[in-house]
Amino acid sequence: KNQVEQSPQSLIILEGKNCTLQCNYTVSPFSNLRWYKQDTGRGPVSLTIMTFSENTKSNGRYTATLDADTKQSSLHITASQLSDSASYICVVRSGGGNKLTFGTGTQLKVEL
Amino acid sequence: GAGVSQSPSNKVTEKGKDVELRCDPISGHTALYWYRQRLGQGLEFLIYFQGNSAPDKSGLPSDRFSAERTGESVSTLTIQRTQQEDSAVYLCASSLDSGYDTQYFGPGTRLTVL
Repeated sequence: KNQVEQSPQSLIILEGKNCTLQCNYTVSPFSNLRWYKQDTGRGPVSLTIMTFSENTKSNGRYTATLDADTKQSSLHITASQLSDSASYICVVRSGGGNKLTFGTGTQLKVEL
Repeated sequence: GAGVSQSPSNKVTEKGKDVELRCDPISGHTALYWYRQRLGQGLEFLIYFQGNSAPDKSGLPSDRFSAERTGESVSTLTIQRTQQEDSAVYLCASSLDSGYDTQYFGPGTRLTVL
């Protein structure tokens, strides 16, 4: 069964600090992995997409990594801002279809 | 349109009633997806449309759930004889086509079944 697990479940950090969110998956065959940011009361918005051959990809203060061998991905947020407070969801697509497996998300809160 | 829109934003209904949730995808997007998100849980795939047809209905939890799409545009998700366990946020997303990866999500409809 395809599964995506994220950790930590929730995280509180001070503004300006860095943090790293983790995603482990057991999806086969792997097609790609995407990180979404979901603000409270809003739909998810895509941050980055990682394919099998990509190890790291940045989008502003967000940097995603992918280790296809260990089936792990991380999302690193640098110099956090209050607006980073949201749920971060890891989503893995299995090859050959439109099946997406969603993680339950990491709830990040950035405080002053 | 500017983005995916959904209506209503909130719906409170009594157990046993039928509800209809509406999704307006981004203009020109041929693929449309419905998801359910229960409190504290991840998104759960329900159904996807390519054009007006639904190649994958595997996520629909029971025969009380149905969806249709017309004019390769608006979609409605209907839940008949609602149960309390149907309470969730129902999210709709659209993409250019089924092979195009980026899905754009609407704000969701929060359904509460009393």
